[in-house]
Amino acid sequence: QSALTQPASVSGSPGQSITISCTGTSSDVGGYNYVSWYQQHPGKAPKVMIYEVSNRPSGVSNRFSGSKSGNTASLTISGLQSDDEADYYCSSYSSSTPVVFGGGTKLTVL
Amino acid sequence: QVQLQESGPGLVKSSQTLSLTCTVSGGSISSGSYYWSWIRQPAGKGLEWIGRIYTSGSTNYNPSLKSRVTISLDTSKNHFSLKLTSVTAADTALYYCARESDIIYDFWGQGSLVTVSS
Repeated sequence: QSALTQPASVSGSPGQSITISCTGTSSDVGGYNYVSWYQQHPGKAPKVMIYEVSNRPSGVSNRFSGSKSGNTASLTISGLQSDDEADYYCSSYSSSTPVVFGGGTKLTVL
Repeated sequence: QVQLQESGPGLVKSSQTLSLTCTVSGGSISSGSYYWSWIRQPAGKGLEWIGRIYTSGSTNYNPSLKSRVTISLDTSKNHFSLKLTSVTAADTALYYCARESDIIYDFWGQGSLVTVSS
């Protein structure tokens, strides 16, 4: 069982916005601003899309944004495109582990 | 541009030791404030953090694997390694090596599939 809880799947139509949640505890997501989000296309290694809750690496579209409230972090993708269809994982620093991942969310673009 | 490449046997017998190496190119493994990490992914499942080693040689391991895992650094060969003992079918997975800074995995290897056979 993964330490961080994500919905198994989300879907949206092209042009729409979707949000993926990542719920942890005060020992990880809620206690630190070290939350990252990764996009993984089939057969590929994950790629960082958001780091430190809401920062985007150079080259990542501004359609991707991150936020956090309490023990839950969120990834929002606006203006959905077909290439956004992928698996998404959150990760966080944890006082016990010290790194934990979410179980992953499959995004389907309808 | 930093590149990482995993290497090692693709098939390991149950109860034996899984050994993988991650060779880093495009930068020195001993410079900068980075952790060199191992992450695995069973087929069709999510990512599982295995552990990491700092440039100083200090290590952190996933508590669920700690008793079986060793990660080491060889600066002369610019690579780091993973050893996982007493493997079972549950250890069958795609094993990634990656560079980490502040829980940001910015460079990844392509992954090395390891199958544990009985």
